[in-house]
Amino acid sequence: AQTVTQSQPEMSVQEAETVTLSCTYDTSESDYYLFWYKQPPSRQMILVIRQEAYKQQNATENRFSVNFQKAAKSFSLKISDSQLGDAAMYFCAYRTGVSTGKLIFGQGTTLQVKP
Amino acid sequence: DTGVSQDPRHKITKRGQNVTFRCDPISEHNRLYWYRQTLGQGPEFLTYFQNEAQLEKSRLLSDRFSAERPKGSFSTLEIQRTEQGDSAMYLCASSFRLAGGRTDTQYFGPGTRLTVL
Repeated sequence: AQTVTQSQPEMSVQEAETVTLSCTYDTSESDYYLFWYKQPPSRQMILVIRQEAYKQQNATENRFSVNFQKAAKSFSLKISDSQLGDAAMYFCAYRTGVSTGKLIFGQGTTLQVKP
Repeated sequence: DTGVSQDPRHKITKRGQNVTFRCDPISEHNRLYWYRQTLGQGPEFLTYFQNEAQLEKSRLLSDRFSAERPKGSFSTLEIQRTEQGDSAMYLCASSFRLAGGRTDTQYFGPGTRLTVL
């Protein structure tokens, strides 16, 4: 069975600085997708960034980028120029490439942004 | 698009009572997912529908849980004889997957927070 592990329960960053959130996963599959979701306090979860396992190029979305290391089964999220609005719970998620679309989430990392 | 909506947002019930939650997906989305999230944890998959067909159920979905998606539109999740361990946030997500497609993006609703006393 696939598992997702986020080993940092809490992280903090100074506004305008860069922070990296870690995620590792375990799978025997070669075809899968990885996601980072953001869940602000009392607000709904939104997709931050997505990575297809068959793509070697790391995904980027504005200030958000990932470091995807397939052999190491590592998928970290880098947030550049951190803003107060980035404060949230961040979840790493795995999805198999076959027909099921269910997401397997990590435990989450709470990010605090200090002004 | 108005996004995924869920009703109610909060539900407090006594142990042993039945509760029902509703999820309205984004219009035209053919897939609908239910997840459960306990405090400080990541969401856990419960079940999903492709149109009106329920294609997968988690082992977390005991016999007390039932989900429906009549006509492939909104979905309901019912919990019978609630227990204190059912207290959690119940999240709904929807997506559109093309026939033969490989991927889709799930859009989440705000969730229904259930408290069982």
